[in-house]
Amino acid sequence: GEDVEQSLFLSVREGDSSVINCTYTDSSSTYLYWYKQEPGAGLQLLTYIFSNMDMKQDQRLTVLLNKKDKHLSLRIADTQTGDSAIYFCAERASGTYKYIFGTGTRLKVLA
Amino acid sequence: DVKVTQSSRYLVKRTGEKVFLECVQDMDHENMFWYRQDPGLGLRLIYFSYDVKMKEKGDIPEGYSVSREKKERFSLILESASTNQTSMYLCATQAETQYFGPGTRLLVL
Repeated sequence: GEDVEQSLFLSVREGDSSVINCTYTDSSSTYLYWYKQEPGAGLQLLTYIFSNMDMKQDQRLTVLLNKKDKHLSLRIADTQTGDSAIYFCAERASGTYKYIFGTGTRLKVLA
Repeated sequence: DVKVTQSSRYLVKRTGEKVFLECVQDMDHENMFWYRQDPGLGLRLIYFSYDVKMKEKGDIPEGYSVSREKKERFSLILESASTNQTSMYLCATQAETQYFGPGTRLLVL
């Protein structure tokens, strides 16, 4: 069945770059998403990428997609303490309602 | 801005109680979802609804039911709460992407 995997924890120093990785199994995935969840809150969409793209950049965020390896990454440049949160990757196939979420990666930014 | 509200942020119930979690959206979206979030397991889909009175089971529907009498409101019902239903419950609506409510943290004693 479909599965999305992420490492559970990542710790970086303020000002460094963070790279959060995600692997998925469903080759029919058309949309791939990154969500951020701050403590005590719901999920907030950060960015998304279509499966026919390799890269998308949005200010400090860079998303890289390796479709052959089914690997997605989110790079946060100049990581700040306000970036501390749980980051979820999710996939969705075209024409379906269903999102498959990863387990989430807890990013801790050290001052 | 899309607004998704959930009736409670925190809820404490006893085993065997009937529990209602309410979700309301203001964007006229047809699709609404209920997830539960547990550490190390991510988000798991309980039920979703694609129109008024229409629903489909997600991955973990056992012990839950839902109600969608009006387009803007999607309710999750725990008929007889159990301790293994202690969790964070997230409601979402969907247009081009999913929009989430703030979550309800439910503790079943």
